[in-house]
Amino acid sequence: DAKTTQPPSMDCAEGRAANLPCNHSTISGNEYVYWYRQIHSQGPQYIIHGLKNNETNEMASLIITEDRKSSTLILPHATLRDTAVYYCIIEPAGGYQKVTFGTGTKLQVIP
Amino acid sequence: DGGITQSPKYLFRKEGQNVTLSCEQNLNHDAMYWYRQDPGQGLRLIYYSQIVNDFQKGDIAEGYSVSREKKESFPLTVTSAQKNPTAFYLCASSTPDRVGGYTFGSGTRLTVV
Repeated sequence: DAKTTQPPSMDCAEGRAANLPCNHSTISGNEYVYWYRQIHSQGPQYIIHGLKNNETNEMASLIITEDRKSSTLILPHATLRDTAVYYCIIEPAGGYQKVTFGTGTKLQVIP
Repeated sequence: DGGITQSPKYLFRKEGQNVTLSCEQNLNHDAMYWYRQDPGQGLRLIYYSQIVNDFQKGDIAEGYSVSREKKESFPLTVTSAQKNPTAFYLCASSTPDRVGGYTFGSGTRLTVV
């Protein structure tokens, strides 16, 4: 399984864009990048996923580099409710392999 | 609304007692999972099940047991053999191709005294 590396913590001013990086240099061609977030004492929530093209939904945008070795989750206008731990995970397109959620990035949105 | 229900939210047990955590989903998902989370840590996979009557061990299965008799239900039993059972337990489900990712429950916080 591809492993991911994320910074342990980041701050972002309220109303500004939050850019959360993830390195996954050992990702395979058929593996997707998934992002989740976990607000304190709740279950993680799915945000977005992608294979190689940039993706956007109502919550966020996902930018994947051309070599697919890294990605960035963008929250365009961060609010206080976006304060959470953000996890980047890698999953194969078909079948199931055990998935590891690391320690993620603790995003603190500051008023 | 479809979702995953974990109960109870908080659970206290005496050391040496077995305890069963409930997980029910009405999403018609085939696959279900149990994770454990310790303070400041990520999620570690305990068990997973891709279809009814079948399940596999995750990374930290020792001291835990599961059953999958119905598609909707995947209960986790924390046995007395689990050395450090106090933790936050999360149940999740997904479609086999995981389109839309995992759907997680709100978790059960187990404290063993």
